[in-house]
Amino acid sequence: DVKVTQSSRYLVKRTGEKVFLECVQDMDHENMFWYRQDPGLGLRLIYFSYDVKMKEKGDIPEGYSVSREKKERFSLILESASTNQTSMYLCASRLPGVLGGYGYTFGSGTRLTVV
Amino acid sequence: QKEVEQNSGPLSVPEGAIASLNCTYSDRGSQSFFWYRQYSGKSPELIMFIYSNGDKEDGRFTAQLNKASQYVSLLIRDSQPSDSATYLCAVTNAGNMLTFGGGTRLMVKP
Repeated sequence: DVKVTQSSRYLVKRTGEKVFLECVQDMDHENMFWYRQDPGLGLRLIYFSYDVKMKEKGDIPEGYSVSREKKERFSLILESASTNQTSMYLCASRLPGVLGGYGYTFGSGTRLTVV
Repeated sequence: QKEVEQNSGPLSVPEGAIASLNCTYSDRGSQSFFWYRQYSGKSPELIMFIYSNGDKEDGRFTAQLNKASQYVSLLIRDSQPSDSATYLCAVTNAGNMLTFGGGTRLMVKP
């Protein structure tokens, strides 16, 4: 069964801290994504990666960076956490499919609170 | 205009009824369409995808696609309280990435 694992379910960090959110998939998927989800704003794409060591900015990359050193792992980094980065963070992965026939598989999410 | 539009709801239906969830999209080049279910505090899970005009059925779920009208819908037959969730419509864009709608909250009342 397809599995995307996010290392933490809940995190509380202080303003200014460097925060690492980890995501691991066991499906040999090439594409991986980081979203944040906020009430009223829906899912917003932060960064994505087509393959190892490749990364592309999404719609809201400011204040974030990513790392993809191995195919199975995609890390989201908050360089200096701020209170407006309090959110639910969702990692997703997929194979690049014909007609996008392979939808995203999401991890269980990390609810980050920055105080 | 948002690329993928959904009525935020809540859509309230009685148990056993048919729930009809609708989604419109703006990109005529979109080729694949997905429905996700998201329970409160949980992550989205894929229910169905469709890429041909017409209906696609899977158990109590039916996805309907009309590319000419740029409209995709999800019907849930014999709705159960456990179907109460937010349903997200997602559409592939030119880069084959998914663009998500804001979701419709469904409430099924016993």
